Amino acid sequence: AQTVTQSQPEMSVQEAETVTLSCTYDTSESNYYLFWYKQPPSRQMILVIRQEAYKQQNATENRFSVNFQKAAKSFSLKISDSQLGDTAMYFCAFMKLGFGNEKLTFGTGTRLTIIP
Amino acid sequence: DAGVTQSPTHLIKTRGQHVTLRCSPISGHKSVSWYQQVLGQGPQFIFQYYEKEERGRGNFPDRFSARQFPNYSSELNVNALLLGDSALYLCASSLLGTSNQPQHFGDGTRLSIL
Repeated sequence: AQTVTQSQPEMSVQEAETVTLSCTYDTSESNYYLFWYKQPPSRQMILVIRQEAYKQQNATENRFSVNFQKAAKSFSLKISDSQLGDTAMYFCAFMKLGFGNEKLTFGTGTRLTIIP
Repeated sequence: DAGVTQSPTHLIKTRGQHVTLRCSPISGHKSVSWYQQVLGQGPQFIFQYYEKEERGRGNFPDRFSARQFPNYSSELNVNALLLGDSALYLCASSLLGTSNQPQHFGDGTRLSIL
């Protein structure tokens, strides 16, 4: 079974600054995906960024980038030039690679507050 | 195009009752997954359905059941409700139900048990 751990329950940062959210995971699988999801107060879970474990290059999406360390089973999210709209719960999630499998295993989340 | 839609938005039930939650996937999406999110925790996987067949089941009691219809919409049923079933229930859809397809989530149904 897979587990995902987010050790920072809450974080806050000034607008325009950079913030890094931490995530570690445990699995015996060699092929998998890792995700960061954002959940604002509106409740909808929004995909922020995705990383394929077989790719060594870290994924980036505009202001969002990840630091994927496969050997250490670490997957952190960096948000650059943070904006007020980034205020939300952020969840790290794991998915095993395979057809017919879509089970996401989530961490407990980090509540991020961007301060004006 | 409309996103994943869930109904109702909010529901209040009492212990022992039965509840049905509904989900309409994005047009063309054939896979639907259900998650339970208890307050202060991450979502927990309940079921995945693809082409009307169950593809995955999480660690939930038999009081939880689901089905998918020919139009790919889905229902989640919970019998004999307990206080611990109070949660946000999220539905997600994807095109083919494979791990390389992104999942799109709905806004969820907030279920409160009194």
